[in-house]
Amino acid sequence: DGGITQSPKYLFRKEGQNVTLSCEQNLNHDAMYWYRQDPGQGLRLIYYSQIVNDFQKGDIAEGYSVSREKKESFPLTVTSAQKNPTAFYLCASSIHADTQYFGPGTRLTVL
Amino acid sequence: DQQVKQNSPSLSVQEGRISILNCDYTNSMFDYFLWYKKYPAEGPTFLISISSIKDKNEDGRFTVFLNKSAKHLSLHIVPSQPGDSAVYFCAASQKFTGGGSNYKLTFGKGTLLTVNP
Repeated sequence: DGGITQSPKYLFRKEGQNVTLSCEQNLNHDAMYWYRQDPGQGLRLIYYSQIVNDFQKGDIAEGYSVSREKKESFPLTVTSAQKNPTAFYLCASSIHADTQYFGPGTRLTVL
Repeated sequence: DQQVKQNSPSLSVQEGRISILNCDYTNSMFDYFLWYKKYPAEGPTFLISISSIKDKNEDGRFTVFLNKSAKHLSLHIVPSQPGDSAVYFCAASQKFTGGGSNYKLTFGKGTLLTVNP
């Protein structure tokens, strides 16, 4: 069953802690993306990766970091430098095309 | 500066009638447009798309119209069903400026569609 998985579904973090969100895909897609959604807002691009071992900043990369060591995996770390980390985080992937396919999302809440 | 705008935060229609969701954009470099449907606490699912060289694309109950001169697109759902109730996002695509063969999507803020039985 091909698809994109994100874990965990819900995540709670204390202020000052780093936290890593997982994103895995078995669609054999080259490109992967991380977005953030806030209430009443559209999706905003945090980071993207078009190929293994390469990634680029999106529109709101400050306070976030990523790695792309394997084609299937694109984890996102929310660092303590991110001022407003509480949000719904979405991972997506695509294969040399406009259409991106999304995972189920992770809701991060900072306590 | 919002490059993709969905000016109606919400829309309510009766079951069986037509739903029309609108989207405007400002960037002439966008060359592909997509609509996604999203339920609360879930990821968006791709619905339908249209290339900038076309003015209409149809898939079952869903039709997207593109008016390039007006920089406007719309999604028509006919007939509307209660299961269509969700947030609909319009997205516009352009190639990443740093090179490569993939595309950046710019999203509108979404329209909450409610279809009443």
